[in-house]
Order: sequence, then C-alpha cells, then structure tokens
Amino acid sequence: KAGVTQTPRYLIKTRGQQVTLSCSPISGHRSVSWYQQTPGQGLQFLFEYFSETQRNKGNFPGRFSGRQFSNSRSEMNVSTLELGDSALYLCASSSGTASSYEQYFGPGTRLTVT
Amino acid sequence: AQSVTQLGSHVSVSEGALVLLRCNYSSSVPPYLFWYVQYPNQGLQLLLKYTSAATLVKGINGFEAEFKKSETSFHLTKPSAHMSDAAEYFCAVSDDKIIFGKGTRLHILP
Repeated sequence: KAGVTQTPRYLIKTRGQQVTLSCSPISGHRSVSWYQQTPGQGLQFLFEYFSETQRNKGNFPGRFSGRQFSNSRSEMNVSTLELGDSALYLCASSSGTASSYEQYFGPGTRLTVT
Repeated sequence: AQSVTQLGSHVSVSEGALVLLRCNYSSSVPPYLFWYVQYPNQGLQLLLKYTSAATLVKGINGFEAEFKKSETSFHLTKPSAHMSDAAEYFCAVSDDKIIFGKGTRLHILP
C-alpha cells in the first residue's frame, strides 16, 4: 500500500505571496491532518479534515486554510506569507479520526519564506 | 485544556543502556496517549498507543510505555539502546484534538 505523499517536497516563497501544499493520503483513509513543525514551537496542529469536512482546527490565523476533496486528497493554503511561516509542514492520514486512530505521516513539505 | 510536557529536549545514553524518555500530560478526561518517532528527514511513525486496555503498552522496536494515572505520566522505555534508536521522540495526548509534546532528541553514545 502506498504511503502518504506530499508535494512539493521543498518550496521557497517570498513574503506576501501565497502557497498551496498538497497531500495524498493512504488509500481508504478518510481523515487528513496538517501540522506545522518548527525548531522553536515543535509540532503544532493546524487542522483535521474528515470526509471533506473540517473536524478540528488549531490556533492558527485565518491565513491558514485547507480543504479536502471527495477522493480524500487534501490541500493546505497559506496566504500573505510571513517569515515566521518557514517550517516543515506535515500531513498525516488515518482510517478514523486522528484523535484515536494511528496517524501515518508523509515526509513533509519544507517551506522557506524569504 | 489538555497539554503534554516532555522532560529534556535532548537525552544521551550509551549503546546497550536503558532508555527512559519522560512524558507528563494533563487532560480532563481519560485520554488516548501516543509515542511517535521521527528519523532525520522523515515524517513521524507510531511507536505505541495507549487506549486504556492495559497500562503497560508494548510497541515496535522493543519500546514500551507505562500509563500511570496517579502521576499523569506515560514514560517511554527500552531496556537496551541501539545506535539505530537515535531519533526524535514525540509524546502526544488526545481526547478530541491531538496535542504533541515538543519532542526529545535521543543520542546514542558508542
């Protein structure tokens, strides 16, 4: 079974731009969660989508948004990029809700904002 | 509100020695508890998960963790460290949302 894939793996953007990251979950998984990982803040939960509906949301500004498609693939969008958005963005999928099922993580997208 | 505290951002042990990574949590309801491992340039991988079926949970790669409700702890142990255990370890708690600790980087000394 193919694992979680994320594209692109690396991205360099300029302040003020917007970016879209993509995540393809494991086949059959209905939940996709997004996390931001930085050396200072660690792993922070962004949001979880389950069957195309946002199930949970972390404490991030509205510049961070996401969506999930009917095939469970998910995208995350960050508008008006700031230097502090530089991070590794991880996507994880699970067969049930992320709070109680094992999550399978992708390798991440490393975003650098200059 | 739930939270997770991992004591020690870096832990060093000698190869063959006991590994002990500490995790304390706070949660208003009985939680799910997880330990994940992250190897360099990779995503996270589940080591083990506590779901209230048993207080001692065995995971992959010889790791285990014991849930102690009175101490609100879920420490991760391995009897004998191997060089391949060098990685970052994350404890996580969830009742509805999942919250990760800041991680502990484990160094194995030859």
